[in-house]
Amino acid sequence: DTAVSQTPKYLVTQMGNDKSIKCEQNLGHDTMYWYKQDSKKFLKIMFSYNNKELIINETVPNRFSPKSPDKAHLNLHINSLELGDSAVYFCASSQDRLGAGRETQYFGPGTRLLVL
Amino acid sequence: RKEVEQDPGPFNVPEGATVAFNCTYSNSASQSFFWYRQDCRKEPKLLMSVYSSGNEDGRFTAQLNRASQYISLLIRDSKLSDSATYLCLPSGGSYIPTFGRGTSLIVHP
Repeated sequence: DTAVSQTPKYLVTQMGNDKSIKCEQNLGHDTMYWYKQDSKKFLKIMFSYNNKELIINETVPNRFSPKSPDKAHLNLHINSLELGDSAVYFCASSQDRLGAGRETQYFGPGTRLLVL
Repeated sequence: RKEVEQDPGPFNVPEGATVAFNCTYSNSASQSFFWYRQDCRKEPKLLMSVYSSGNEDGRFTAQLNRASQYISLLIRDSKLSDSATYLCLPSGGSYIPTFGRGTSLIVHP
């Protein structure tokens, strides 16, 4: 009964390739997030959707494009991968967005991306 | 001043010790705070929410100092299993989640 799941768990690819990471939550939450955690362990917000609408887009290169086909899914597509994209990408969900009350975030297990 | 600052540590303590670390925040509009725990190579998980001046949950106590804009996490009687990174997240000043860099705790036998 995984609450927030991500696939794949590991992704090794060459520079210049395009890849996608999928995220699904079965908690009935309205808000979903993508975070990047780099080698220095800093957890940085990239995107957030609330009820399928993009509400946060934080200075991320436009090679990164999120897509939310429905409230339970938030996918991340990355074009023209670069070495600096190597990191762990976490998906998360919460009932409400931050500051709106039910804001506890539940994280997926992470996708470890290595660009060679 | 960074939005959320934490001493990265590591804090290296023996089992049974009491350890405390702080998280300072710059947005005075922050009303509530969250401590998340992240084990090595795992996802963050909520440890504690703080909605007023503080919160206590077993061996864990969070205390908020609004005047000085910091929140502390105190762990009593440390266990080996407490070894992890503790991330601070203020809420209320913005809907954009800005986590602290995290404080690493190592509890040794």
